[in-house]
Amino acid sequence: EAQVTQNPRYLITVTGKKLTVTCSQNMNHEYMSWYRQDPGLGLRQIYYSMNVEVTDKGDVPEGYKVSRKEKRNFPLILESPSPNQTSLYFCASSLGHANTEAFFGQGTRLTVV
Amino acid sequence: GNSVTQMEGPVTLSEEAFLTINCTYTATGYPSLFWYVQYPGEGLQLLLKATKADDKGSNKGFEATYRKETTSFHLEKGSVQVSDSAVYFCALIRRNSGNTPLVFGKGTRLSVIA
Repeated sequence: EAQVTQNPRYLITVTGKKLTVTCSQNMNHEYMSWYRQDPGLGLRQIYYSMNVEVTDKGDVPEGYKVSRKEKRNFPLILESPSPNQTSLYFCASSLGHANTEAFFGQGTRLTVV
Repeated sequence: GNSVTQMEGPVTLSEEAFLTINCTYTATGYPSLFWYVQYPGEGLQLLLKATKADDKGSNKGFEATYRKETTSFHLEKGSVQVSDSAVYFCALIRRNSGNTPLVFGKGTRLSVIA
């Protein structure tokens, strides 16, 4: 089954404690990205990757890092989380062409206290 | 820049009512347009899409027509069901763009009551 898998689904952490949210896709997609969803703001892109070892900033990259060492995995790293990073995070993948479907993970709800 | 504006929610309808969720966009060139749906506790999934002017996307009884002259992509369904309760997002992708992020509207929450 074609899917994007994120882990964990829920996470509560404290300010400053490094964390990683994993994302894996089994569709051999080249393009992967991370979004955060906040009430009243919709979804905003954090980082994206067009292929292995190719990553770049989206609209709201501050406080985040990513890596793309393998095609299937695209982890999101918060080196020093802060309360303003409390949000619902989604990983997505696609073939990368403008008219193709993006597949989303089920989301990770992160709370930073 | 590119942006999507969709009607504010929440929208509450009775079962079998007619649904319209308005969506307008601003983009350079000719974007591809999408409606995504997010059911409670789940990620987003593609509902329908249209890639050029006058195209009509349709799925599960939902329809939307790409109107270049009014820069709109309104979502419609003739008879909603309780199972349609979800958050609906209008989105666009600029074509001929190296980075192909989806630009989303803020979402419209739909509640359908029996």
